[in-house]
Amino acid sequence: QQPVQSPQAVILREGEDAVINCSSSKALYSVHWYRQKHGEAPVFLMILLKGGEQKGHDKISASFNEKKQQSSLYLTASQLSYSGTYFCGTENNYGQNFVFGPGTRLSVLP
Amino acid sequence: NAGVTQTPKFQVLKTGQSMTLQCAQDMNHEYMSWYRQDPGMGLRLIHYSVGAGITDQGEVPNGYNVSRSTTEDFPLRLLSAAPSQTSVYFCASSLETASYNEQFFGPGTRLTVL
Repeated sequence: QQPVQSPQAVILREGEDAVINCSSSKALYSVHWYRQKHGEAPVFLMILLKGGEQKGHDKISASFNEKKQQSSLYLTASQLSYSGTYFCGTENNYGQNFVFGPGTRLSVLP
Repeated sequence: NAGVTQTPKFQVLKTGQSMTLQCAQDMNHEYMSWYRQDPGMGLRLIHYSVGAGITDQGEVPNGYNVSRSTTEDFPLRLLSAAPSQTSVYFCASSLETASYNEQFFGPGTRLTVL
């Protein structure tokens, strides 16, 4: 079952912050975040493996609330290079069957 | 390392034709997978493999076949192309299970079925 992402799209000015949410009706055991620029392949950002885990690099971080079955991606002081579509992904029912959310399109304007 | 490579980059088929999309990785990854991405939609898993000789179905396997005879290669076959298979196809690999490892994606194959 596909995770749900919100918002579907967001437009920011450079330097503004954004939060992208990912939630599932099923238990989450891991959450992945990827970014895809237009016409390119998705690129890995980070994995969160434990409930309560928080990770980050540069000004992009994420949290994982296992009990609430959700994860959030935080983009701080956004840069033009942050533009793209962000996908969360998780495994489906313990197995190897990986499923992505529908994506959140982020546009950062000068 | 070349990473994950895919060929061809672009392909146009007529309805009913068959073809094979090639995928190869040189990172000695056990897990490989095929996704399709339709406009405005996320990535949907077609088939995956946890190692040479082992394959399984993903979310949207109908109309596609795979095999994994070596660790490096994971071709995707379209048996009888249909317009509904017009999409961008991505191959990906990870060290082990995709659940706990970063997936590396190939550049994609844009397929149009007329």
